[in-house]
Amino acid sequence: EPEVTQTPSHQVTQMGQEVILRCVPISNHLYFYWYRQILGQKVEFLVSFYNNEISEKSEIFDDQFSVERPDGSNFTLKIRSTKLEDSAMYFCASSRTSGGAVYNEQFFGPGTRLTVL
Amino acid sequence: GEDVEQSLFLSVREGDSSVINCTYTDSSSTYLYWYKQEPGAGLQLLTYIFSNMDMKQDQRLTVLLNKKDKHLSLRIADTQTGDSAIYFCAEAYSGAGSYQLTFGKGTKLSVIP
Repeated sequence: EPEVTQTPSHQVTQMGQEVILRCVPISNHLYFYWYRQILGQKVEFLVSFYNNEISEKSEIFDDQFSVERPDGSNFTLKIRSTKLEDSAMYFCASSRTSGGAVYNEQFFGPGTRLTVL
Repeated sequence: GEDVEQSLFLSVREGDSSVINCTYTDSSSTYLYWYKQEPGAGLQLLTYIFSNMDMKQDQRLTVLLNKKDKHLSLRIADTQTGDSAIYFCAEAYSGAGSYQLTFGKGTKLSVIP
């Protein structure tokens, strides 16, 4: 069964460094999402992406964050200058579309645990 | 803003039914979901219900939606040890074309053999 994959599974970085988290969505899906879960807290929406542009973003998704689809299979989340409070599990998700409309089902990857020291 | 609340823990005996409850605040929610997370794994979509339905059954899973009380429940019949996991309730509304999910904190289900 097709699934969303994410790499790396765990990333450790120093405060102030840039990190790129990578996702490979399900192959025929065109709507992509990033969510994060700080330890002990709720899973929070960060951003949605379609047709090579951001569809929606939350207040968390500030100028330190960016997303990109660098090629036909990868979807990345970049954090420019990491802060301690960026430590969290980051989940990528994808959805099918049809005729430009997105299906409501979101399929999640296993997550990347980001630790900022 | 939107909020989703769940109790944090539930413990049941193997073979019994489990009922996991959730309340939400956004009356404009379009879909409501249940996701399962096993240790070290991602969020697995179990089932979802459209907001104009009040019940959905899928094998051992039954979802009940009380839209008036903004209450969602997931019943797992004949609970097995493999059902031990964290169960997340989530709601979605359709924003500018996409669905933003708002999650609860998750209910940790422990199944006692």
